[in-house]
Amino acid sequence: DTGVSQNPRHKITKRGQNVTFRCDPISEHNRLYWYRQTLGQGPEFLTYFQNEAQLEKSRLLSDRFSAERPKGSFSTLEIQRTEQGDSAMYLCASSHQGWPTNTGELFFGEGSRLTVL
Amino acid sequence: QQQVKQSPQSLIVQKGGISIINCAYENTAFDYFPWYQQFPGKGPALLIAIRPDVSEKKEGRFTISFNKSAKQFSLHIMDSQPGDSATYFCAASMTNAGGTSYGKLTFGQGTILTVHP
Repeated sequence: DTGVSQNPRHKITKRGQNVTFRCDPISEHNRLYWYRQTLGQGPEFLTYFQNEAQLEKSRLLSDRFSAERPKGSFSTLEIQRTEQGDSAMYLCASSHQGWPTNTGELFFGEGSRLTVL
Repeated sequence: QQQVKQSPQSLIVQKGGISIINCAYENTAFDYFPWYQQFPGKGPALLIAIRPDVSEKKEGRFTISFNKSAKQFSLHIMDSQPGDSATYFCAASMTNAGGTSYGKLTFGQGTILTVHP
């Protein structure tokens, strides 16, 4: 399977615990994005990487959230001291930014659903 | 100014009918307007996209109509099929100086489309 892979698909945790999600993008894609989607809403941008560099973070990304993309391959999104308001679907997407193959298309994974009790 | 407003929230059409979903944006710097389709349990997938230098783009049964002066764009699904039943999101982003798409998308709230057989 050459699509975007996310793990775990589902995570149930208690308030105050830390959780980590992993995203494996399409191998030749140099850009990786994290979005958050709550029920009945469209995805909201959180952050993105160009190779290993984190180039932008949304104001939605509080200090409890940290994302990394070591070596420009897979990425992790960690949420510390989870709160009930963190319950959402966390979507990862990748794209290739650059000539000549850039089409602007984001390829999304199936998401990691977080439930904070 | 970053909002993209989408309507209707839900839409029911009969097989063979035309489905129309509308979006409006405020930020005139937006210059890339994709539509994404999302099935339950899956991540969004790009359906069709348009840039503001054209007023219409058609791909198969799917057409985007774009009105730059009104800052509105819409998705038309001709000959709607039960398999088209999904949630549809419009989105917008600003491209970089090279004209390539930038993946920091601002999504609409989504439209749940149900096509009855």
